[in-house]
Amino acid sequence: AAGVIQSPRHLIKEKRETATLKCYPIPRHDTVYWYQQGPGQDPQFLISFYEKMQSDKGSIPDRFSAQQFSDYHSELNMSSLELGDSALYFCASSYHTGARTDTQYFGPGTRLTVL
Amino acid sequence: GQQVMQIPQYQHVQEGEDFTTYCNSSTTLSNIQWYKQRPGGHPVFLIQLVKSGEVKKQKRLTFQFGEAKKNSSLHITATQTTDVGTYFCAGLSGGSNYKLTFGKGTLLTVNP
Repeated sequence: AAGVIQSPRHLIKEKRETATLKCYPIPRHDTVYWYQQGPGQDPQFLISFYEKMQSDKGSIPDRFSAQQFSDYHSELNMSSLELGDSALYFCASSYHTGARTDTQYFGPGTRLTVL
Repeated sequence: GQQVMQIPQYQHVQEGEDFTTYCNSSTTLSNIQWYKQRPGGHPVFLIQLVKSGEVKKQKRLTFQFGEAKKNSSLHITATQTTDVGTYFCAGLSGGSNYKLTFGKGTLLTVNP
C-alpha cells in the first residue's frame, strides 16, 4: 500500500539559512499534519491542514510556515534556521471523516541538521 | 493545555517476560491512539481506542482504555526481540481540533 512520502530524507543547513520540507500524503487523504521530534523526545505537533486550509496550530515557531496545495501535498518552510531546529520532522496524513477517529499515518521523516 | 503522561520512560526485560506501559491524560480524551517507533524509524500506528472501558487485542498486545477515558495501557505478553522500540500513546481531546498530544513514550529493550 502507498505510504506518506517525505523529501528530502536528510538535509543539512547552516544557521540562518532556509529549508523547505515536502510531504506527499497517502492517496485520497485530505489532511496533513507536521510534527517535530527532537532526540529522545516525543513528536510535537506543529501544524495541520485540511482541504488546503490550516486546521490546527501547535508549537510552530513564527519563523516556520506551511501550506497545503491543490494536490494535497504540503510544504513546511523554515527560515532563519537555528541550531535548535535540528530534529526529525514527520508528516502524517489522514482521511477526514468528521467522526474524530481519523488515523494518522506517519511518513519516514526528514532529518534536519543545522550546523 | 492538554498533557499526556506516560510511564515508565524505559523498560528492559528478558525475552519472554511481560511488559506494560501506562498513559494518563490531564483531560478526558475523545480517543487514544498507540504508536510504535523502532530506533531510527517513524511512528507506526498500532491501534485506536474510542469507547470507555474498551479493550482490544492484537496477538500478544492488549490495549485498554479507562472508564473515564483519561487513561490507557498497553500490555505485551511474552515479549520477543522484535518488540524492541518506543511505544507512544497519543490522545485526541474533545473540541474541534484534531491534533494528537503524544506521551513521552516508553523505550522497551528486550534481552534475548
